[in-house]
Amino acid sequence: DAKTTQPNSMESNEEEPVHLPCNHSTISGTDYIHWYRQLPSQGPEYVIHGLTSNVNNRMASLAIAEDRKSSTLILHRATLRDAAVYYCIPQNPSGNTGKLIFGQGTTLQVKP
Amino acid sequence: DAGITQSPRHKVTETGTPVTLRCHQTENHRYMYWYRQDPGHGLRLIHYSYGVKDTDKGEVSDGYSVSRSKTEDFLLTLESATSSQTSVYFCAISESHTDTQYFGPGTRLTVL
Repeated sequence: DAKTTQPNSMESNEEEPVHLPCNHSTISGTDYIHWYRQLPSQGPEYVIHGLTSNVNNRMASLAIAEDRKSSTLILHRATLRDAAVYYCIPQNPSGNTGKLIFGQGTTLQVKP
Repeated sequence: DAGITQSPRHKVTETGTPVTLRCHQTENHRYMYWYRQDPGHGLRLIHYSYGVKDTDKGEVSDGYSVSRSKTEDFLLTLESATSSQTSVYFCAISESHTDTQYFGPGTRLTVL
């Protein structure tokens, strides 16, 4: 299982972009990179995932380095509701468990 | 939101008593998972199911058993609860092992 390194915490101002980095230098060639977040007192929720190309959806963008050893989750305009713990999770699709390995994640604080 | 409910949402019990937590889904997803979340740890997989009566162990399965007699329900049983099992328990579902996982609201269990 690939190891990940994320900053423990980050701060942002409301309505400004936020770039959340993740280092996954031991990722295998077939691992997808998933991002989940966990709002206070809630279960985790899916944000976005990708393999090699940058990805966009209504919640965020995911920029994946060319060597795939790191990725960055981009929130284009942070809102107070985006305050959460963000987890970067490599997942090997060849396994049959679907197991997600959650690290410590990055706690994002959003200031009004 | 995915149709996942967990019951009970909160429970306080005493050491040595049996406890059963229930996860119920209305999405007809094949995969179901039980995770626990403790301070200082990310979510850790306890057990998972890949179909009716098909279950397997996760990374922290000692002291837990599971059952899945129908698609919509996945039960987690602590045969004899211990204080080390005080935790927040999350259920998750997914269509396949590579698909997005949707998490329930969690059950906060306290073992005195």
